[in-house]
Amino acid sequence: AQKITQTQPGMFVQEKEAVTLDCTYDTSDQSYGLFWYKQPSSGEMIFLIYQGSYDEQNATEGRYSLNFQKARKSANLVISASQLGDSAMYFCAASYSNYQLIWGAGTKLIIKP
Amino acid sequence: GAVVSQHPSWVICKSGTSVKIECRSLDFQATTMFWYRQFPKQSLMLMATSNEGSKATYEQGVEKDKFLINHASLTLSTLTVTSAHPEDSSFYICSAADRETEAFFGQGTRLTVV
Repeated sequence: AQKITQTQPGMFVQEKEAVTLDCTYDTSDQSYGLFWYKQPSSGEMIFLIYQGSYDEQNATEGRYSLNFQKARKSANLVISASQLGDSAMYFCAASYSNYQLIWGAGTKLIIKP
Repeated sequence: GAVVSQHPSWVICKSGTSVKIECRSLDFQATTMFWYRQFPKQSLMLMATSNEGSKATYEQGVEKDKFLINHASLTLSTLTVTSAHPEDSSFYICSAADRETEAFFGQGTRLTVV
């Protein structure tokens, strides 16, 4: 079964440090998309970054980058120079068809001043 | 990016009453919208897929008579929680996709049934 695994339930990181949030996926499909979303305490989901399975380069969006290792089925999110406002839940998700998303359990990130 | 508006953002209702939640795509046409439910400290759970002009497809374990979904136009889908009970209290989020690279979410609705 297709599954998304986020092994870190929670993380504490010092402000201004870089942080890597782990995500592995399990699929035999050749075509898929990988997403990272941020969910602050307000509850809304904020799209951060997308990586297509055929994209050869790692996706980057500002301070966010996705470390895509296809052979290892890994799609880790890297946040550079963390800020206090980065404290939130982070969800990894994958889309295989018809835009449905398979979600990971999430990682609660807390940035310490 | 595209905008998806969800309304209301927060609602309290009495047990036994029905609550309607709206999800609108403001600047694009979404032929498919998704409804998710999130329990505290858990990931989102897909409830149903809403296709414009046809019946929604419900995930296993989701009561379609309790969670009525209507997708009457390319920009509006509604979720109605019928005869709500305290166990229906949750955070409900809709999403719509304009292309496969991004899925846009509404702000979410926090439902409390008392």
